[in-house]
Amino acid sequence: NAGVTQTPKFQVLKTGQSMTLQCAQDMNHEYMSWYRQDPGMGLRLIHYSVGAGITDQGEVPNGYNVSRSTTEDFPLRLLSAAPSQTSVYFCASSSLAGGDYEQYFGPGTRLTVT
Amino acid sequence: GENVEQHPSTLSVQEGDSAVIKCTYSDSASNYFPWYKQELGKRPQLIIDIRSNVGEKKDQRIAVTLNKTAKHFSLHITETQPEDSAVYFCASDRTDAGNMLTFGGGTRLMVKP
Repeated sequence: NAGVTQTPKFQVLKTGQSMTLQCAQDMNHEYMSWYRQDPGMGLRLIHYSVGAGITDQGEVPNGYNVSRSTTEDFPLRLLSAAPSQTSVYFCASSSLAGGDYEQYFGPGTRLTVT
Repeated sequence: GENVEQHPSTLSVQEGDSAVIKCTYSDSASNYFPWYKQELGKRPQLIIDIRSNVGEKKDQRIAVTLNKTAKHFSLHITETQPEDSAVYFCASDRTDAGNMLTFGGGTRLMVKP
């Protein structure tokens, strides 16, 4: 299993540009989440999904959209990038199967908005 | 919403000593409390977790304690080694899936050889 994969690893955007961060998992996990991590801080939840076709907002959803058309994929769209969105973005997946709460994190996407 | 406070923000110990990191949370409905280790430039890795129906859990040199009444939980690392040096994050979750974590601000642990 590849686990949770994210692309790209690095991205530089200009203010106002849009882009999609990709996230995929091959563990058949029903739950997927997006977090952002600003320098020297903990992760903050942006959006999450409890299954295909179901998404909801987390703590810091403004400026981001998500969709979940398949169990495997959970892309994060930046609608109009702002310097305040400069951060490292982590995707995570988890499953209740077997009573395992563990969230498996992807390697992250480092985004800089100039 | 939930608020998780973590202390200290930095901790320096001598190799072989113990390290303790403490977290408090605000939402009495929180029922899952994981701890993550994050090395520089890497993803967070789960090192231990505890659910609200348990007061303590141990895994070799690592232990976590939970006091639901006081709404705080702690990470204990014994016999620290230089490879324990990293940033540690506590988190909490009130869902059944552990997929809506609220993180503390992190503790940078430095273990001096």
